[in-house]
Amino acid sequence: QAGLTQPPSVSKDLGQTATLTCTGNSNNIGNHGTAWLQQHQGHPPKLLSYRNNDRPSGISERFSASRSGNTASLTITGLQPEDEADYYCSTWDNSLSAVVFGGGTKLTVL
Amino acid sequence: QVQLVQSGAEVKKPGASVKVSCRASGYTFSTYDINWVRQASGQGLEWMGYRNPNSGNSAHAQNFQGRVTITTDTSTSTAYLELNSLRSEDTAVYYCVREGLDVWGKGTTVTVSS
Repeated sequence: QAGLTQPPSVSKDLGQTATLTCTGNSNNIGNHGTAWLQQHQGHPPKLLSYRNNDRPSGISERFSASRSGNTASLTITGLQPEDEADYYCSTWDNSLSAVVFGGGTKLTVL
Repeated sequence: QVQLVQSGAEVKKPGASVKVSCRASGYTFSTYDINWVRQASGQGLEWMGYRNPNSGNSAHAQNFQGRVTITTDTSTSTAYLELNSLRSEDTAVYYCVREGLDVWGKGTTVTVSS
């Protein structure tokens, strides 16, 4: 089934800012809050942000999310080595009556 | 603390069924939906379905229609995922996830191999 579109990879230098995008449509991102997840190799995903820009307790303020139309974005400032991971977006899709995920973006911190 | 504890790894033959359990603790089980999400090696996340332990409302992804059953037992705060007619492509790590995606189990590896 159709999901959300994320760039497969993004590379940024240590200390820089990375902005990851997630594109959907009016059936999903355009009308529902988007969650962002971080996954390190061999571990379950961890929730970074929900309802477009709410952070669970314990999540660094370096992670912030936003939405513009049918595109959601996750911005990570002051990149650290531990930020190197896979990042997924997710939301509900009205037309599919299903939770949908993006294909994931592999973030490399150089 | 809030956690979801999943059952151990399974190895199954093609055509068989598998049932994975997920026991919740640290919160009121009936208050939140439970989702099941799987991830094949090196691949992304795939939502399979959810169930509300209180109302029994549920939904499944179309990809799994007819093959997946999600049940919950409020007396033991446990959710179950049953997947039938297994094929090699079902080899993956299966996660139970609380509504809101804020709590994840550690995952159960299911290997389908003849």
